[in-house]
Amino acid sequence: DAKTTQPTSMDCAEGRAANLPCNHSTISGNEYVYWYRQIHSQGPQYIIHGLKNNETNEMASLIITEDRKSSTLILPHATLRDTAVYYCIVRPYQGGKLIFGQGTELSVKP
Amino acid sequence: EAQVTQNPRYLITVTGKKLTVTCSQNMNHEYMSWYRQDPGLGLRQIYYSMNVEVTDKGDVPEGYKVSRKEKRNFPLILESPSPNQTSLYFCASSLSAGGSYEQYFGPGTRLTVT
Repeated sequence: DAKTTQPTSMDCAEGRAANLPCNHSTISGNEYVYWYRQIHSQGPQYIIHGLKNNETNEMASLIITEDRKSSTLILPHATLRDTAVYYCIVRPYQGGKLIFGQGTELSVKP
Repeated sequence: EAQVTQNPRYLITVTGKKLTVTCSQNMNHEYMSWYRQDPGLGLRQIYYSMNVEVTDKGDVPEGYKVSRKEKRNFPLILESPSPNQTSLYFCASSLSAGGSYEQYFGPGTRLTVT
């Protein structure tokens, strides 16, 4: 399974866009990029996923570089409730378990 | 509301006393899975089920059992709990096991074994 690298922590001002980077330079062609977040010790929450194209939903946007070696999760207008640990996960086409790394601890500040 | 539910949410028990943590989903999902989360170790898969009557071991299955008699339910059974099973447990489900199907997690069960 491809390994991901994320910054340990980031800060963002409330109301501004939060851009969370993820490096997955060893990703293979049939692996998906997933983003989850975990607030305190709650269950991980699905945010978005993509294969090659950029994706957008009601929560966030996912920008995947053309070579697929990195991606960015964008929360367009961060709120205090977006403070959480964000996990970037590379998942094979066959699916199965999710492998959570250490993630990025995002702090949204007033 | 589409959701994954777990019960109990909190449980303190003693070594050796059998317990069951229930997991139920109302989304008609085929794939269900149990994870445990420990500080510094992240989330690790315990068992998973591809469909009714089909279960298989994950990365850390020792000391756990599961069953999948109905599509909606996937209980986790600890027949003789030990203190090293003190952890935060999450159940998850998805429409299918394939990589394009997102998994949805329950709220978690915090288990303490003394």
